[in-house]
Amino acid sequence: NAGVTQTPKFQVLKTGQSMTLQCAQDMNHNSMYWYRQDPGMGLRLIYYSASEGTTDKGEVPNGYNVSRLNKREFSLRLESAAPSQTSVYFCASSTPARYGYTFGSGTRLTVV
Amino acid sequence: GENVEQHPSTLSVQEGDSAVIKCTYSDSASNYFPWYKQELGKRPQLIIDIRSNVGEKKDQRIAVTLNKTAKHFSLHITETQPEDSAVYFCAASHRSNDYKLSFGAGTTVTVRA
Repeated sequence: NAGVTQTPKFQVLKTGQSMTLQCAQDMNHNSMYWYRQDPGMGLRLIYYSASEGTTDKGEVPNGYNVSRLNKREFSLRLESAAPSQTSVYFCASSTPARYGYTFGSGTRLTVV
Repeated sequence: GENVEQHPSTLSVQEGDSAVIKCTYSDSASNYFPWYKQELGKRPQLIIDIRSNVGEKKDQRIAVTLNKTAKHFSLHITETQPEDSAVYFCAASHRSNDYKLSFGAGTTVTVRA
């Protein structure tokens, strides 16, 4: 039982490049989330998916897109990376009954 | 949307002393309040949570209190140990916003030996 698995763990991009962050959970959770973490700003929600087939914007969605591929997988895409997107990205999942999140191990992204 | 404020941003305590972190929230509909601990370079991990029908919850050396009227909740760590050094985040959510968690900015706790 791996929980929430994120790939890659580290990535360096040049400004303007694109990439997709992958996230998969094996806990049969309905809801999945993408957060970014920046120093002194806590965790800010980028996008979330309350259930398979639905996605919604969070607090800071600009510059990102998401895909809920199936119940297990929720990917985050940066179409044209910018230095302001340098951050640590966390995927998480939950069920309403449980309420609390289970986080992935994070992706440290640097855009130069 | 929900706004969660967390204080202090940094906290240094002597080993064995208590640590208290306080959070306030803005949305009176919020009814779920978890606390996460994040060690350096690691993922946030849930350490305790409380729901709005409960005023206090305790788990060994950690406890959380909730005052719904004042819209604030607090984390209490007693008999602090070096392994308690980490960043702690409070959060809030409610059913009508799909239980999305809004996080505080975090408190860096350092336990001095």
